[in-house]
Amino acid sequence: AQSVTQPDIHITVSEGASLELRCNYSYGATPYLFWYVQSPGQGLQLLLKYFSGDTLVQGIKGFEAEFKRSQSSFNLRKPSVHWSDAAEYFCAVGANNDMRFGAGTRLTVKP
Amino acid sequence: GAVVSQHPSRVICKSGTSVKIECRSLDFQATTMFWYRQFPKQSLMLMATSNEGSKATYEQGVEKDKFLINHASLTLSTLTVTSAHPEDSSFYICSARAGGIYNEQFFGPGTRLTVL
Repeated sequence: AQSVTQPDIHITVSEGASLELRCNYSYGATPYLFWYVQSPGQGLQLLLKYFSGDTLVQGIKGFEAEFKRSQSSFNLRKPSVHWSDAAEYFCAVGANNDMRFGAGTRLTVKP
Repeated sequence: GAVVSQHPSRVICKSGTSVKIECRSLDFQATTMFWYRQFPKQSLMLMATSNEGSKATYEQGVEKDKFLINHASLTLSTLTVTSAHPEDSSFYICSARAGGIYNEQFFGPGTRLTVL
């Protein structure tokens, strides 16, 4: 069965600094990988997804993620964080009708 | 993106009562809807998957007689928590998808259930 690990529960970065959120997965085949953002009172919003092809995926709001099969990782990056990026971020791995989420990383942005 | 709504956003009920949560896809037809449960500071746990007109498929450990799911139309699914207990207090999130597995799931804003 697939599983997802997000090692960092909480990360604090300064506005304008770069960001990397880690995600490791366990899955027997090529996974479908996702990053979602959850803001208070709002539903999860898809930032980006990887199904196949180019391993560097561009998403919305300036985010990107790189699929590294050798490391079983799908880390999310942003070169310059904005205060509005403060939220909870979830990595997910999915196959068929089964999507498994990581525990989430809460991002705090310092002024 | 497509919009999924949930109603109510918050509900408080007494132990032993039943609560119904609605999930609607507002601008698309959802052939598949999913129900998740999220505990504080934890991940989303898939409870069940439902296809329109079919019985829901429940994840292991989820009591189907306690969490009744109905997906009667392509735009509406309901989750009824029967005989609610305080341990059922949680954040319940639905998502909806049109078409097959390559299509995006769109998530509702969630419903906070508190059982007294």
